[in-house]
Amino acid sequence: NAGVTQTPKFRVLKTGQSMTLLCAQDMNHEYMYWYRQDPGMGLRLIHYSVGEGTTAKGEVPDGYNVSRLKKQNFLLGLESAAPSQTSVYFCASSPRTGQGYYEQYFGPGTRLTVT
Amino acid sequence: AQKVTQAQTEISVVEKEDVTLDCVYETRDTTYYLFWYKQPPSGELVFLIRRNSFDEQNEISGRYSWNFQKSTSSFNFTITASQVVDSAVYFCALSEALERDKIIFGKGTRLHILP
Repeated sequence: NAGVTQTPKFRVLKTGQSMTLLCAQDMNHEYMYWYRQDPGMGLRLIHYSVGEGTTAKGEVPDGYNVSRLKKQNFLLGLESAAPSQTSVYFCASSPRTGQGYYEQYFGPGTRLTVT
Repeated sequence: AQKVTQAQTEISVVEKEDVTLDCVYETRDTTYYLFWYKQPPSGELVFLIRRNSFDEQNEISGRYSWNFQKSTSSFNFTITASQVVDSAVYFCALSEALERDKIIFGKGTRLHILP
């Protein structure tokens, strides 16, 4: 199993450009998440999804949109990139377990620079 | 509101020393889950442990041990006989039962193990 994969690994955008980050998981997990990691800020949740066709806002959703058309994929879109969106983006997935906790499995990250 | 505080931003110890990483959390929920993740220099996030609020037993896994104390709302992580490979950023995280879709991460502690 590949686990959680992210495409692309690196990207440089100019202010105002748009792009989509793709996250794919092959573990049949129900839940998927997008985080951003900035120096000194830890991981902050952007959006998440509890199942195919559903999405919800996290802590820092502004400037991002997401879609979960297929269970295995979770897309993060930037419609008009801004320098403040320069960050490392992590996707994660987790199973819905009977024990009531949701351990998250992370992808390798995408380093995005907006100039 | 849930909150995770890792007061130690950066720690340096000499190899073979023991080191403890502090984590203090805030939650109003009586049922919650605590996690530790490791982020080595390569950048990926690796799950280390989860604990639920009903299980205050300390856990040991090789050189790693975790001390969960509800009375002080702390979930500290100790590395015994540290090794250079332990150098990483370590994140403590919290998920509440009422909002188990989301995990809130602390800002992380960067650990340097000096040879």
